[in-house]
Amino acid sequence: KNEVEQSPQNLTAQEGEFITINCSYSVGISALHWLQQHPGGGIVSLFMLSSGKKKHGRLIATINIQEKHSSLHITASHPRDSAVYICAAFTYNTDKLIFGTGTRLQVFP
Amino acid sequence: DAGVIQSPRHEVTEMGQEVTLRCKPISGHDYLFWYRQTMMRGLELLIYFNNNVPIDDSGMPEDRFSAKMPNASFSTLKIQPSEPRDSAVYFCASSVRESSYNSPLHFGNGTRLTVT
Repeated sequence: KNEVEQSPQNLTAQEGEFITINCSYSVGISALHWLQQHPGGGIVSLFMLSSGKKKHGRLIATINIQEKHSSLHITASHPRDSAVYICAAFTYNTDKLIFGTGTRLQVFP
Repeated sequence: DAGVIQSPRHEVTEMGQEVTLRCKPISGHDYLFWYRQTMMRGLELLIYFNNNVPIDDSGMPEDRFSAKMPNASFSTLKIQPSEPRDSAVYFCASSVRESSYNSPLHFGNGTRLTVT
């Protein structure tokens, strides 16, 4: 079993739909990252959080430390949101990131 | 700020050849990470440096892989000899020093390596 699990693996949506991507982890962490990888391959850091909730535009990330679970939400999804979304956990007391396998999102017009 | 710069973007080489991947981190960033991404295994940490010193290389697959950071603005990842199973996208990333676990990572655009 991977230490960082994401679901779903693949997700398709119609433009405008509300999207939720889930991430569960089994290790002790100091922070959790959400990354976005576009078809061109570049990786962008969306959020880094260790508690509560963060919002940036149409993106919202939440984390529940007790339940070892984080979610990434996209409101009013758009085709340009189509990408692979990866959660990564910074393990406690180290500088190592453990990556989930990613969620491939496709948003159709 | 030019971001993390990796070169080359694409590399195609024959099995047995030496491959050198290059990375220039963002100025002022004291942590540098090398990752490998494959379809089968996703993103994996190979090695990371703090202030040019290798801290953890436990992710380096085997002795054919080596990484150096001779100064704060340059790092190399070398594979010698290369094998077809080394084909992957190799990413370099950097972050600031104060609390690397609390700092966003900045990724380069990656080097797509194909070993035939």
